[in-house]
Amino acid sequence: EIVLTQSPATLSLSPGERATLSCRASQSVGSYLAWYQHKPGQAPRLLIYDASNRATGIPARFSGSGSGTDFTLTISSLEPEDFAVYYCHQRSNWPLTFGQGTRLEIK
Amino acid sequence: EVQLVESGGGLIQPGGSLRLSCAVSGFTVRIHSMSWVRQAPGKGLEWVSILYGADSTYYADSVKGRFTISRDISKNTLYLQMNSLRAEDTAVYYCARALASGPRDYWGQGTLVTVSS
Repeated sequence: EIVLTQSPATLSLSPGERATLSCRASQSVGSYLAWYQHKPGQAPRLLIYDASNRATGIPARFSGSGSGTDFTLTISSLEPEDFAVYYCHQRSNWPLTFGQGTRLEIK
Repeated sequence: EVQLVESGGGLIQPGGSLRLSCAVSGFTVRIHSMSWVRQAPGKGLEWVSILYGADSTYYADSVKGRFTISRDISKNTLYLQMNSLRAEDTAVYYCARALASGPRDYWGQGTLVTVSS
């Protein structure tokens, strides 16, 4: 099983600041890495698929990069609605797996 | 309009069985890969199972041998049969279409399963 390790566990920032979230895979997942945003009481929202492609309707302030084992989600300038939990997810190998999440909280 | 609506959750005793349903509208379950994902209270997302193609299925190790994913094309509905339930299966269960495999995926709002005596 591919283990995805996200860092940091919690990130405290202010609106307008830049957020950088990391996801490291225990073995290569190629570019089959996605990022989700999850808020309480809502379904997860796909932000980035295949490492660097923005999903439909996702603002340009969200960007993804990386390949192989190291990936980054960047939010260029935080909006109030961006504070949530973020998960990376790989679909390279069975079983599919998610990272443990990074909580992005308001400082 | 695409909609996924889960049902069938509830309180069940350890060792019991439950079948979750995911009623789909706006597309056919025959064409798209369909997954179940869960979130235990206070925990992160956990992928549970997928059904794709003709009838290919995969499961997380934590549910293998206890859970079965299936679909009824005539009812356009996805199912998750859960047997030998354990306390650690307590979670909100989501169904999802085409998980992260393109520019758009679709999720239901989830159904809560509580395994407790």
